[in-house]
Amino acid sequence: GESVGLHLPTLSVQEGDNSIINCAYSNSASDYFIWYKQESGKGPQFIIDIRSNMDKRQGQRVTVLLNKTVKHLSLQIAATQPGDSAVYFCAENNFGNEKLTFGTGTRLTIIP
Amino acid sequence: GAVVSQHPSWVICKSGTSVKIECRSLDFQATTMFWYRQFPKQSLMLMATSNEGSKATYEQGVEKDKFLINHASLTLSTLTVTSAHPEDSSFYICSARDLRRQGSTDTQYFGPGTRLTVL
Repeated sequence: GESVGLHLPTLSVQEGDNSIINCAYSNSASDYFIWYKQESGKGPQFIIDIRSNMDKRQGQRVTVLLNKTVKHLSLQIAATQPGDSAVYFCAENNFGNEKLTFGTGTRLTIIP
Repeated sequence: GAVVSQHPSWVICKSGTSVKIECRSLDFQATTMFWYRQFPKQSLMLMATSNEGSKATYEQGVEKDKFLINHASLTLSTLTVTSAHPEDSSFYICSARDLRRQGSTDTQYFGPGTRLTVL
């Protein structure tokens, strides 16, 4: 069936550097994508989203890029901080479908 | 922002007993709530969609008679794990959609999760 997956399960980044987390999706009908951050023992926290009619969206220290041609999504975190250490999930759905499909997750570790 | 709470945050029970987990939207109304299960180092898997005033919709492979869902009000959904067994030990997370912002999935707010351990 359709799935959303991540290229790398773990990523270590030096504090202050930028990080890039990647996500591949296979459902060509997906038109809405979200990045979530999950700290240990907590529920997912919304970071940023993007709709399929856009290819880039920026937030505070975060940028999401969408490449529909290759069905690829990325999350860029600028000037990483220790508090950015967490597992990051991408999720997708069709706008008419309430359900979210989550990717496998990438654990980001910020090295002091 | 919108807040979703879960109670309890963790629970330990004996095999064969039933456990009820509550999910509440604290400052908004939610006609739809979702229940997820997350095993260690794995992603969130949707178990069921809980609709206020109607029966829940379960995902394929999820036993509706084992995981009872009740959504009796616009702010409360409960998940009861009946006759729990060690393999039911997991992190259960709920989410809720804000009724006022229907049509936008970014209004799905997540609870803090409930850690269930079945001995």
